[in-house]
Amino acid sequence: GAVVSQHPSWVICKSGTSVKIECRSLDFQATTMFWYRQFPKQSLMLMATSNEGSKATYEQGVEKDKFLINHASLTLSTLTVTSAHPEDSSFYICSARAAGRTPLGEQFFGPGTRLTVL
Amino acid sequence: AQTVTQSQPEMSVQEAETVTLSCTYDTSENNYYLFWYKQPPSRQMILVIRQEAYKQQNATENRFSVNFQKAAKSFSLKISDSQLGDTAMYFCAFMKAGNMLTFGGGTRLMVKP
Repeated sequence: GAVVSQHPSWVICKSGTSVKIECRSLDFQATTMFWYRQFPKQSLMLMATSNEGSKATYEQGVEKDKFLINHASLTLSTLTVTSAHPEDSSFYICSARAAGRTPLGEQFFGPGTRLTVL
Repeated sequence: AQTVTQSQPEMSVQEAETVTLSCTYDTSENNYYLFWYKQPPSRQMILVIRQEAYKQQNATENRFSVNFQKAAKSFSLKISDSQLGDTAMYFCAFMKAGNMLTFGGGTRLMVKP
């Protein structure tokens, strides 16, 4: 199957610091990766779409300078939360679309990263 | 823009019984895909079932089946012979071909022993 990993699975940081979250497709190449944010008891909200080798496309209301996304290879995308504040505390989930693997362009989800900003 | 609505925030069902989760969506597209995802307490998103809009036949996966009504823009999930492991959040999702997913608000399902 198509496996997506995220690292770290959880992180606690102090307010004002930056945190990097990695998303890797382990057994397939991902031309497109997606980053979602999920608050407790709520649905997944798409933050941005990243295509390998190009700039990410951010959803309305998501600050691109605060949530830096890099998709430098077909198996790795990173999300950096810069100058994190307590309101950035959330569960961050990535997904990856396999290049040419399925006609649906189905997304495979990582296990998520819980970020707590003190 | 597409919207997905799940009108049941929480539901419960006795073990071994059947439960149906509702989902409606709004789109002007003719070709699209619909999904049900399960998110257990581990929070790993798991694909339960998918439906291509161009297929009239309802998708089934073991104990899971859908009732897809394209004209009514309805896509309900039926879980038969409910098991304790079915306890989770369930999200309905819409996708145009090759495009991003739009999720509903979710339904929390509790299976009671």
